[in-house]
Amino acid sequence: EIVMTQSPATLSVSPGERATLSCRASQSVGNNVAWYQQKPGQAPRLLIWGAFTRAPGIPARFSGSGSGTEFTLTISSLQSEDFAVYYCQWGVSFGPGTKVDIK
Amino acid sequence: QVQLVQSGAEVEKPGASVKVSCRVSGYSLSKLSMHWVRQSPGKGLEWLGGFDPEDRETIYAQKFQGRVTMTEDTSTDTVYIELSSLRSEDTAVYYCVIWEGSEDAITLVRGVQTGGYNWFDPWGQGTLVNVSS
Repeated sequence: EIVMTQSPATLSVSPGERATLSCRASQSVGNNVAWYQQKPGQAPRLLIWGAFTRAPGIPARFSGSGSGTEFTLTISSLQSEDFAVYYCQWGVSFGPGTKVDIK
Repeated sequence: QVQLVQSGAEVEKPGASVKVSCRVSGYSLSKLSMHWVRQSPGKGLEWLGGFDPEDRETIYAQKFQGRVTMTEDTSTDTVYIELSSLRSEDTAVYYCVIWEGSEDAITLVRGVQTGGYNWFDPWGQGTLVNVSS
């Protein structure tokens, strides 16, 4: 069973700064990682699939990278609406999430 | 554009069963790979199971085998999840989601990667199931 882990658990960032979130798979998953954003009281929203392909309507400040076991989601300049919890996913496994909050 | 609309919140006692529905609009249910994911209060996302329309097979997470049943009614484009023998740990928001991509859900869950991709999109709005005595 492939297990997804994420770090850090919480990331405190000031608006306008860059945020870098990490996701690790317990064994190689190629480029098959997706990223989601979840705000309180809402369902998760797809941001990235295939490690780096943005979903329709997702702003260019969101970018994904990585392959094999190490993946990164970067938010280049945090906007107020970006403070949320972010999950990575492979197959049917989700990481535990990274909460991005205001510094 | 595909939209998923779920039934309303449920309150159940321990030991009871609950059935949650998810109506699909904007696409034919018969061509979709429908799955269910839940989220316990303040916790992460947990996959319960899903349906592969090509193989016509349903696969469940091992943790829920014997307690969960997923069905569909193509005449109303509605899918259902029923969870039995409820316990307090089943208190969660249950989401229906669509499995997208080239990876086959059944083979992936059984441990075979084919080099394709998969993701979940869109998601229903969620249904809170509260298990309390």
